[in-house]
Amino acid sequence: ETGVTQTPRHLVMGMTNKKSLKCEQHLGHNAMYWYKQSAKKPLELMFVYSLEERVENNSVPSRFSPECPNSSHLFLHLHTLQPEDSALYLCASSPETGEKLFFGSGTQLSVL
Amino acid sequence: AQKITQTQPGMFVQEKEAVTLDCTYDTSDPSYGLFWYKQPSSGEMIFLIYQGSYDQQNATEGRYSLNFQKARKSANLVISASQLGDSAMYFCAMRLYNQGGKLIFGQGTELSVKP
Repeated sequence: ETGVTQTPRHLVMGMTNKKSLKCEQHLGHNAMYWYKQSAKKPLELMFVYSLEERVENNSVPSRFSPECPNSSHLFLHLHTLQPEDSALYLCASSPETGEKLFFGSGTQLSVL
Repeated sequence: AQKITQTQPGMFVQEKEAVTLDCTYDTSDPSYGLFWYKQPSSGEMIFLIYQGSYDQQNATEGRYSLNFQKARKSANLVISASQLGDSAMYFCAMRLYNQGGKLIFGQGTELSVKP
């Protein structure tokens, strides 16, 4: 148990669906992150939030929309995804940006 | 350009033996940190060990040690006395402190421990 919880663990969606991934951290951290892990590729940073403010957006398509309502919760809203978006989506948190990351177990997303 | 390279897509090791997972990095930034993470089949990323660019001694954490060779820009992970539970993906990562803490990951090495 790392203190970072992601739900759901698995998600299958069609290209016209709208779904959301949820991440919750119980560590009192101020920074939260979304990463994408495709098969045989390095982890890709998608978004960084610090104190609920987005500080980094790595050229992610607009069909991915993050939301950070408070420092403990982070969402990734998904709509009109493509099959190439199928991947493991990992959430992480750290005390401040630039410090050691604590990762959740990820959501395995399949887009049909 | 900043980059992390793990050249071993897959490795096998006999239980109880030691294994070295390779990692080389490229940066002109003098201030950086090097991390190793383990990712078992459950998907969770588990922090293993950290080495700062100014640290004089190689980092050790239990059975894990980091062979840091700054001139060669390598940060290999050594796992001693391998256990079956060590079978997982291993990721090397570099954090650039002069660039807002940007974190770059390698492609990973899949380690399989044989009984």
